[in-house]
Amino acid sequence: AQSVSQHNHHVILSEAASLELGCNYSYGGTVNLFWYVQYPGQHLQLLLKYFSGDPLVKGIKGFEAEFIKSKFSFNLRKPSVQWSDTAEYFCAVNEVNTGFQKLVFGTGTRLLVSP
Amino acid sequence: NAGVTQTPKFQVLKTGQSMTLQCAQDMNHEYMSWYRQDPGMGLRLIHYSVGAGITDQGEVPNGYNVSRSTTEDFPLRLLSAAPSQTSVYFCASSYSGQSSTDTQYFGPGTRLTVL
Repeated sequence: AQSVSQHNHHVILSEAASLELGCNYSYGGTVNLFWYVQYPGQHLQLLLKYFSGDPLVKGIKGFEAEFIKSKFSFNLRKPSVQWSDTAEYFCAVNEVNTGFQKLVFGTGTRLLVSP
Repeated sequence: NAGVTQTPKFQVLKTGQSMTLQCAQDMNHEYMSWYRQDPGMGLRLIHYSVGAGITDQGEVPNGYNVSRSTTEDFPLRLLSAAPSQTSVYFCASSYSGQSSTDTQYFGPGTRLTVL
């Protein structure tokens, strides 16, 4: 079965520091990739997604992610984090050929940004 | 649009009790799904539906029933609650679900505790 790994479970950064959250998946076929964010007390929101084309994807709030097919990775980056970025971040993968959309989520990374 | 709504927000049950978690969307989405979120495990798909009258199992369906009599509503039933079902439950919807590129929109969640 396909799996998604997020190796950083907790990350603590100071404001203005750069962020990179790792995401690796196990499926060898064609995939669509997503990053979702869950702010404290809120529901999941889509940050960005990759389907095809340019492997560098830009999302909302200054986030971007790079799809590296050879490494089965889709790492999330932000050059300078803000206190308001404190949240839990989930990587999710969908196999393109499964018929219907069945997202497989990683375990999440909790980011705490100190002011 | 209200988007995806869920009720109740919080619920405490005793082992063996039954209840229904409600989910509704007003975006005319064909695809709806239920996830549970547990610490250290991310989100796992319980059941999903690709349209009224059509449902299927996800990754962790045991102990849960669903039905889809209308496009708008997708209730999740726990027939005999167990402590292992203590979790946060999220409902999500997307336009069709047949396209792996559709964005899923999540509800605010229901926090369920089974004693």
